[in-house]
Amino acid sequence: EPEVTQTPSHQVTQMGQEVILRCVPISNHLYFYWYRQILGQKVEFLVSFYNNEISEKSEIFDDQFSVERPDGSNFTLKIRSTKLEDSAMYFCASSGTGGFAIDTQYFGPGTRLTVL
Amino acid sequence: AQTVTQSQPEMSVQEAETVTLSCTYDTSESNYYLFWYKQPPSRQMILVIRQEAYKQQNATENRFSVNFQKAAKSFSLKISDSQLGDTAMYFCALFSGGGADGLTFGKGTHLIIQP
Repeated sequence: EPEVTQTPSHQVTQMGQEVILRCVPISNHLYFYWYRQILGQKVEFLVSFYNNEISEKSEIFDDQFSVERPDGSNFTLKIRSTKLEDSAMYFCASSGTGGFAIDTQYFGPGTRLTVL
Repeated sequence: AQTVTQSQPEMSVQEAETVTLSCTYDTSESNYYLFWYKQPPSRQMILVIRQEAYKQQNATENRFSVNFQKAAKSFSLKISDSQLGDTAMYFCALFSGGGADGLTFGKGTHLIIQP
């Protein structure tokens, strides 16, 4: 069964450093997403990406965040200058082969980001 | 803005019992989808069940079923014959609009299945 994969599983970084979180969505899916979950809290939407551009973003997704689909398979989230409060689990998700199948989002296993 | 509310932070039941997790939501959209996701200790988000708002029939997936009350904006999850492996956080989520919309999640219910 196809699945979303994410690397690394755990990333430790120093405050102010740049990090790139990587995701490989399910092939032939059209929509890609990043979510964040601070420990003990609910999952929060960050950004969605479709047709090689951002479709929607939340208030959390400020100028320090960026997303990119550098090739036909990877989808990345970059945090330019990490802050302590960026420590969280980051989930990538994908959905949609078109038509009526656009609604169910399948999640990757997450990347735990720890900012020291 | 749309919201999802889960009023039960934690529930505990004995193995083999039936348990119901509550969820209410609010949206101004007429076309939307509702989901339950399970998050075990590994923290991976696993889809449990989905419901299309335009369907009157409640969705079922093996031991999992939902009670979808559209007028009341209620979407509860029933787990029958609960198993130890069902121990996890359960999140209710709402999706509306086009394919690029993000999911709106509730705060989750921590379900503990006791042996």
